[in-house]
Amino acid sequence: AQSVAQPEDQVNVAEGNPLTVKCTYSVSGNPYLFWYVQYPNRGLQFLLKYITGDNLVKGSYGFEAEFNKSQTSFHLKKPSALVSDSALYFCAVRAMDTGRRALTFGSGTRLQVQP
Amino acid sequence: DGGITQSPKYLFRKEGQNVTLSCEQNLNHDAMYWYRQDPGQGLRLIYYSQIVNDFQKGDIAEGYSVSREKKESFPLTVTSAQKNPTAFYLCASSTQTGGAVDTQYFGPGTRLTVL
Repeated sequence: AQSVAQPEDQVNVAEGNPLTVKCTYSVSGNPYLFWYVQYPNRGLQFLLKYITGDNLVKGSYGFEAEFNKSQTSFHLKKPSALVSDSALYFCAVRAMDTGRRALTFGSGTRLQVQP
Repeated sequence: DGGITQSPKYLFRKEGQNVTLSCEQNLNHDAMYWYRQDPGQGLRLIYYSQIVNDFQKGDIAEGYSVSREKKESFPLTVTSAQKNPTAFYLCASSTQTGGAVDTQYFGPGTRLTVL
């Protein structure tokens, strides 16, 4: 079985400060990891994914994520937060060696960026 | 939200009624998915289909049914057997190329409310 934990229901950060949204995962074998963002009453938008190779993955809108195999983590980061980054963020995982391509999602973290 | 459309955006159902949610994609993707989103629980997989005329149950398939007669379409029926159908329903699609890690792209969602 695979699972994702997002330990913080909400993260508050001031505009211009760096932000981190935490994610840890559990999966048999090697993982594929994803981050998505959701704005109110909208579908999910893809931000970035880790497949293999460089542990630092760069994505859309200035976001990046760092894969740490020993800590089974895939934290989302941005050097300077914008008010428009305020949204709900989801981490997701899929095991590399599986016929099931559907993702397992975390419960989500609400990011609130204050002006 | 790309080339995935879901309709209607809002749907109201009386107890005991079956309702069908539409999902159409023009991305030429082989795989399609249905997720249910409840507050604080992230997304849970209902059904998925990796190819036309084939589909598999996800983690919470009870009370739901699907069909995949065309590559572009993956409608979801919420039956009267689903005990708590009020939720936000998200459809997604992805490619199914053998060696690539397919990213799932999401539609805008349908909010179903049982009256």
